[in-house]
Amino acid sequence: DAKTTQPTSMDCAEGRAANLPCNHSTISGNEYVYWYRQIHSQGPQYIIHGLKNNETNEMASLIITEDRKSSTLILPHATLRDTAVYYCIVGPSSGTYKYIFGTGTRLKVLA
Amino acid sequence: GAGVSQTPSNKVTEKGKYVELRCDPISGHTALYWYRQSLGQGPEFLIYFQGTGAADDSGLPNDRFFAVRPEGSVSTLKIQRTERGDSAVYLCASSLLPSGGTYEQFFGPGTRLTVL
Repeated sequence: DAKTTQPTSMDCAEGRAANLPCNHSTISGNEYVYWYRQIHSQGPQYIIHGLKNNETNEMASLIITEDRKSSTLILPHATLRDTAVYYCIVGPSSGTYKYIFGTGTRLKVLA
Repeated sequence: GAGVSQTPSNKVTEKGKYVELRCDPISGHTALYWYRQSLGQGPEFLIYFQGTGAADDSGLPNDRFFAVRPEGSVSTLKIQRTERGDSAVYLCASSLLPSGGTYEQFFGPGTRLTVL
Protein backbone atom coordinates (compact mmCIF):
# COMPACT_ATOMS: atom_id res chain seq x y z
CA ASP A 1 0.00 0.00 0.00
CA ALA A 2 1.10 3.51 -0.75
CA LYS A 3 2.48 5.39 2.22
CA THR A 4 1.09 8.68 0.96
CA THR A 5 -2.36 10.13 0.38
CA GLN A 6 -3.15 12.85 -2.12
CA PRO A 7 -6.33 14.47 -3.43
CA THR A 8 -7.60 12.77 -6.53
CA SER A 9 -7.78 15.90 -8.66
CA MET A 10 -7.23 19.65 -8.64
CA ASP A 11 -7.73 22.53 -11.02
CA CYS A 12 -5.52 25.60 -11.29
CA ALA A 13 -5.77 28.73 -13.43
CA GLU A 14 -2.92 29.31 -15.84
CA GLY A 15 -0.34 31.69 -14.39
CA ARG A 16 -1.38 31.04 -10.82
CA ALA A 17 0.46 28.97 -8.26
CA ALA A 18 -0.52 25.34 -7.99
CA ASN A 19 -0.24 23.92 -4.48
CA LEU A 20 -0.41 20.13 -4.33
CA PRO A 21 -0.66 18.59 -0.86
CA CYS A 22 0.54 15.19 0.26
CA ASN A 23 0.01 13.41 3.55
CA HIS A 24 2.70 11.00 4.73
CA SER A 25 1.96 10.66 8.41
CA THR A 26 3.86 7.37 8.81
CA ILE A 27 7.12 8.63 7.31
CA SER A 28 10.21 7.45 9.16
CA GLY A 29 13.23 9.54 10.07
CA ASN A 30 15.46 8.52 7.18
CA GLU A 31 12.86 8.56 4.42
CA TYR A 32 12.86 11.26 1.81
CA VAL A 33 9.85 12.81 0.09
CA TYR A 34 9.98 12.61 -3.70
CA TRP A 35 7.69 14.21 -6.23
CA TYR A 36 7.20 13.01 -9.78
CA ARG A 37 4.75 13.91 -12.48
CA GLN A 38 3.43 11.96 -15.42
CA ILE A 39 2.17 13.63 -18.52
CA HIS A 40 -0.20 11.55 -20.61
CA SER A 41 1.50 8.62 -22.36
CA GLN A 42 4.93 9.40 -20.95
CA GLY A 43 7.01 7.90 -18.14
CA PRO A 44 7.08 9.65 -14.76
CA GLN A 45 9.39 12.67 -14.60
CA TYR A 46 11.37 13.60 -11.49
CA ILE A 47 10.53 17.01 -10.04
CA ILE A 48 12.11 17.45 -6.62
CA HIS A 49 12.88 15.71 -3.35
CA GLY A 50 13.66 16.64 0.24
CA LEU A 51 14.29 15.25 3.69
CA LYS A 52 13.29 17.92 6.17
CA ASN A 53 14.26 21.30 4.77
CA ASN A 54 12.28 23.15 2.15
CA GLU A 55 13.73 22.78 -1.32
CA THR A 56 13.50 24.76 -4.53
CA ASN A 57 14.68 24.10 -8.05
CA GLU A 58 13.87 25.42 -11.49
CA MET A 59 10.66 23.42 -11.65
CA ALA A 60 9.08 23.72 -8.24
CA SER A 61 9.32 24.26 -4.51
CA LEU A 62 8.80 21.62 -1.84
CA ILE A 63 7.54 22.62 1.57
CA ILE A 64 7.80 19.94 4.28
CA THR A 65 6.09 20.50 7.62
CA GLU A 66 8.24 20.48 10.72
CA ASP A 67 6.84 17.14 11.89
CA ARG A 68 7.40 15.79 8.34
CA LYS A 69 3.93 14.29 8.24
CA SER A 70 2.89 16.27 5.19
CA SER A 71 4.32 18.29 2.35
CA THR A 72 3.22 20.61 -0.44
CA LEU A 73 4.57 20.84 -3.94
CA ILE A 74 4.31 24.35 -5.34
CA LEU A 75 4.39 25.16 -9.04
CA PRO A 76 4.77 28.95 -8.83
CA HIS A 77 3.30 29.90 -12.21
CA ALA A 78 1.37 27.01 -13.67
CA THR A 79 1.19 26.64 -17.43
CA LEU A 80 -0.97 24.40 -19.59
CA ARG A 81 2.03 22.08 -19.99
CA ASP A 82 1.93 21.40 -16.24
CA THR A 83 -1.31 19.45 -16.69
CA ALA A 84 -0.34 15.98 -15.47
CA VAL A 85 -0.71 13.43 -12.69
CA TYR A 86 1.54 14.32 -9.75
CA TYR A 87 2.84 11.59 -7.45
CA CYS A 88 4.23 12.02 -3.96
CA ILE A 89 6.44 9.13 -2.81
CA VAL A 90 8.39 8.47 0.38
CA GLY A 91 11.43 6.23 0.59
CA PRO A 92 13.68 4.34 0.72
CA SER A 93 12.45 2.02 3.38
CA SER A 94 13.28 -1.40 4.69
CA GLY A 95 16.46 -1.55 2.63
CA THR A 96 14.69 -1.50 -0.70
CA TYR A 97 14.76 1.32 -3.19
CA LYS A 98 11.52 0.61 -4.97
CA TYR A 99 8.99 3.38 -5.27
CA ILE A 100 5.48 2.74 -4.03
CA PHE A 101 3.16 4.92 -6.05
CA GLY A 102 -0.33 5.88 -5.03
CA THR A 103 -2.90 7.10 -7.54
CA GLY A 104 -1.54 10.66 -7.46
CA THR A 105 -3.26 14.00 -8.02
CA ARG A 106 -4.54 14.80 -11.48
CA LEU A 107 -3.77 18.51 -11.95
CA LYS A 108 -5.59 20.32 -14.71
CA VAL A 109 -4.34 23.79 -15.58
CA LEU A 110 -7.10 25.87 -17.07
CA ALA A 111 -6.61 28.61 -19.67
CA GLY B 1 22.75 12.79 -22.70
CA ALA B 2 20.46 9.97 -23.74
CA GLY B 3 17.72 8.98 -21.37
CA VAL B 4 16.28 5.56 -20.62
CA SER B 5 15.04 3.87 -23.76
CA GLN B 6 12.60 1.00 -24.07
CA THR B 7 11.78 -1.22 -27.00
CA PRO B 8 9.37 -1.91 -28.48
CA SER B 9 7.14 1.06 -27.76
CA ASN B 10 4.09 -1.06 -28.46
CA LYS B 11 3.67 -4.83 -28.45
CA VAL B 12 0.52 -6.71 -29.37
CA THR B 13 0.50 -10.43 -28.74
CA GLU B 14 -1.92 -13.27 -28.38
CA LYS B 15 -2.86 -15.01 -25.17
CA GLY B 16 -0.39 -17.76 -24.37
CA LYS B 17 2.54 -16.27 -26.30
CA TYR B 18 5.96 -15.33 -24.92
CA VAL B 19 7.18 -11.71 -24.98
CA GLU B 20 10.40 -9.90 -24.20
CA LEU B 21 10.61 -6.22 -23.34
CA ARG B 22 13.94 -4.43 -23.43
CA CYS B 23 15.29 -1.55 -21.37
CA ASP B 24 18.45 0.46 -22.03
CA PRO B 25 19.30 2.46 -18.91
CA ILE B 26 21.22 5.71 -18.71
CA SER B 27 24.93 5.02 -19.11
CA GLY B 28 26.63 4.62 -15.75
CA HIS B 29 23.45 3.92 -13.81
CA THR B 30 23.98 0.79 -11.74
CA ALA B 31 20.42 0.45 -10.49
CA LEU B 32 17.55 -0.56 -12.78
CA TYR B 33 13.86 -0.90 -11.97
CA TRP B 34 10.82 -2.36 -13.71
CA TYR B 35 7.27 -1.20 -13.01
CA ARG B 36 3.98 -1.81 -14.71
CA GLN B 37 1.08 0.59 -14.94
CA SER B 38 -2.54 -0.25 -15.58
CA LEU B 39 -4.97 2.34 -16.84
CA GLY B 40 -5.81 4.94 -14.22
CA GLN B 41 -3.37 3.56 -11.68
CA GLY B 42 0.06 4.57 -10.48
CA PRO B 43 3.04 2.47 -11.51
CA GLU B 44 3.41 -0.81 -9.61
CA PHE B 45 6.88 -2.08 -8.71
CA LEU B 46 8.03 -5.37 -10.21
CA ILE B 47 11.79 -5.83 -9.73
CA TYR B 48 14.95 -3.90 -8.94
CA PHE B 49 18.53 -4.69 -10.01
CA GLN B 50 21.78 -3.57 -8.46
CA GLY B 51 24.33 -4.33 -11.15
CA THR B 52 23.62 -7.80 -12.53
CA GLY B 53 21.71 -9.17 -9.58
CA ALA B 54 18.07 -8.77 -8.65
CA ALA B 55 18.12 -7.02 -5.28
CA ASP B 56 14.34 -7.07 -4.86
CA ASP B 57 11.94 -9.11 -7.00
CA SER B 58 9.06 -8.99 -4.56
CA GLY B 59 6.78 -7.30 -7.08
CA LEU B 60 6.84 -10.01 -9.75
CA PRO B 61 3.25 -11.28 -9.75
CA ASN B 62 4.03 -14.94 -10.49
CA ASP B 63 6.59 -17.25 -12.06
CA ARG B 64 5.52 -16.33 -15.59
CA PHE B 65 7.47 -13.11 -15.13
CA PHE B 66 11.25 -13.06 -15.18
CA ALA B 67 13.87 -10.37 -15.72
CA VAL B 68 17.58 -10.45 -16.42
CA ARG B 69 20.43 -7.98 -16.59
CA PRO B 70 23.41 -10.16 -17.51
CA GLU B 71 26.05 -7.47 -17.99
CA GLY B 72 24.74 -4.90 -15.58
CA SER B 73 23.42 -2.60 -18.28
CA VAL B 74 20.57 -3.63 -20.61
CA SER B 75 17.72 -5.51 -18.99
CA THR B 76 15.03 -7.74 -20.47
CA LEU B 77 11.67 -8.44 -18.89
CA LYS B 78 10.31 -11.76 -20.03
CA ILE B 79 6.69 -12.86 -19.76
CA GLN B 80 5.72 -16.44 -20.53
CA ARG B 81 2.24 -17.68 -21.41
CA THR B 82 0.84 -14.17 -21.53
CA GLU B 83 -2.66 -13.53 -20.21
CA ARG B 84 -5.07 -10.73 -21.01
CA GLY B 85 -4.52 -9.38 -17.50
CA ASP B 86 -0.87 -8.75 -18.36
CA SER B 87 -1.94 -5.91 -20.64
CA ALA B 88 -0.40 -2.72 -19.26
CA VAL B 89 2.37 -0.21 -19.81
CA TYR B 90 5.68 -1.61 -18.62
CA LEU B 91 8.03 1.10 -17.38
CA CYS B 92 11.75 0.89 -16.82
CA ALA B 93 13.77 3.30 -14.71
CA SER B 94 17.43 3.64 -13.78
CA SER B 95 19.38 5.48 -11.13
CA LEU B 96 22.86 5.91 -9.78
CA LEU B 97 23.77 3.58 -6.95
CA PRO B 98 21.37 4.51 -4.18
CA SER B 99 23.28 6.21 -1.41
CA GLY B 100 22.18 8.13 1.63
CA GLY B 101 18.58 8.11 0.53
CA THR B 102 19.17 10.08 -2.65
CA TYR B 103 18.27 7.98 -5.63
CA GLU B 104 16.24 9.82 -8.22
CA GLN B 105 14.89 7.33 -10.72
CA PHE B 106 14.78 8.31 -14.37
CA PHE B 107 11.99 6.64 -16.30
CA GLY B 108 11.75 5.52 -19.88
CA PRO B 109 8.67 6.09 -22.05
CA GLY B 110 7.36 2.59 -21.44
CA THR B 111 6.26 -0.35 -23.56
CA ARG B 112 2.53 -0.72 -24.04
CA LEU B 113 1.73 -4.43 -24.01
CA THR B 114 -1.63 -5.60 -25.30
CA VAL B 115 -2.57 -9.26 -24.95
CA LEU B 116 -5.48 -10.24 -27.17
